[in-house]
Amino acid sequence: SQKIEQNSEALNIQEGKTATLTCNYTNYSPAYLQWYRQDPGRGPVFLLLIRENEKEKRKERLKVTFDTTLKQSLFHITASQPADSATYLCALLFSGGYNKLIFGAGTRLAVHP
Amino acid sequence: EAGVTQFPSHSVIEKGQTVTLRCDPISGHDNLYWYRRVMGKEIKFLLHFVKESKQDESGMPNNRFLAERTGGTYSTLKVQPAELEDSGVYFCASSPAYRGGTEAFFGQGTRLTVV
Repeated sequence: SQKIEQNSEALNIQEGKTATLTCNYTNYSPAYLQWYRQDPGRGPVFLLLIRENEKEKRKERLKVTFDTTLKQSLFHITASQPADSATYLCALLFSGGYNKLIFGAGTRLAVHP
Repeated sequence: EAGVTQFPSHSVIEKGQTVTLRCDPISGHDNLYWYRRVMGKEIKFLLHFVKESKQDESGMPNNRFLAERTGGTYSTLKVQPAELEDSGVYFCASSPAYRGGTEAFFGQGTRLTVV
């Protein structure tokens, strides 16, 4: 069956360290992969998009990698801050699929002072 | 610029009743999507409008759900009659004309509880 897997357990890290979140998928060949942040009681907020022909994308303290052979994306937050604490969702998108996103369940990140 | 807004933010109804959720997308966004998250599960796609036309409604669970988008502006999602398993958070999202993988802008969601 088609599946997207994200670390189900919360990730706890110390402020200033790099947080690395994983998104693995099976039986998909997405054209794009997006990462969203979601805070309690709020809707997802778009962070980054990476295309199937891109290996890496950066935005300020964020970095995303995309390995279509391993069917995996890694999401890094460098110099993490308590304000980065949230749930992070990966979402797959297919060519011609507009924004019919297929979401993973998300990983909760807690950054401690 | 106003973001995507959803009404109400919370709704508690009894099984068998009718509920209508509303979404106002960002002005000028042709694409409007409905998603929902049921307890403990991932966010799942329900349907997609391009302007006033339904582009894809493959995620609608059954015929108790009816979505409309009047004049290509705001959208409503009606559940009639509501069942217990319909409880969850319903999200609306919008995006501009398709440019390939463009970001989706989400509303804050409507938490629906059916008792």
